[in-house]
Amino acid sequence: AQRVTQPEKLLSVFKGAPVELKCNYSYSGSPELFWYVQYSRQRLQLLLRHISRESIKGFTADLNKGETSFHLKKPFAQEEDSAMYYCAFHSSNTGKLIFGQGTTLQVKP
Amino acid sequence: NAGVMQNPRHLVRRRGQEARLRCSPMKGHSHVYWYRQLPEEGLKFMVYLQKENIIDESGMPKERFSAEFPKEGPSILRIQQVVRGDSAAYFCASSPPVQNTGELFFGEGSRLTVL
Repeated sequence: AQRVTQPEKLLSVFKGAPVELKCNYSYSGSPELFWYVQYSRQRLQLLLRHISRESIKGFTADLNKGETSFHLKKPFAQEEDSAMYYCAFHSSNTGKLIFGQGTTLQVKP
Repeated sequence: NAGVMQNPRHLVRRRGQEARLRCSPMKGHSHVYWYRQLPEEGLKFMVYLQKENIIDESGMPKERFSAEFPKEGPSILRIQQVVRGDSAAYFCASSPPVQNTGELFFGEGSRLTVL
């Protein structure tokens, strides 16, 4: 079964520290993976997708098929990065998006 | 474009009552998805609908829950005879008719509290 796992419920770092939010998936084919973010009092929105290999707000994520991972990274965290982050798997067969459990990132001043 | 609109934002029901949650997708979008977020848990897929069709309801509880997306009007998630365990945030998302990119546009959610 397709599954996305985010092992950390909460990640707390100081401003300026590097950040890595972990995401592992289980899927035998070529996955389509995404990171979504929900800032306080805002709706969930797309942050980035692995296909485009873009960097958004300083965040990057590389698909590692060997480790079945899609970790989200940022070299220097900012306070405004504090939010809930969800890793998601898109099934092109069914069209649905499957989310991980989410990780709350807390960036302290 | 007002984005995905959900109402009510907050709903309180007593055990045994019915809850109806509405979702108006973004203009031009014909695909709607419902997700449930239980306290301290992530987003769980419930159902995926297109206009007048249920595409995938694999995440819907077998009883008391139903969803529809009529030709005209919003999508409705209906929960009959609510129980305390139904208390959660219910999120709706939409996507355009010709896409399969995985980008969904979310509403602000409807928070159901069952007393």
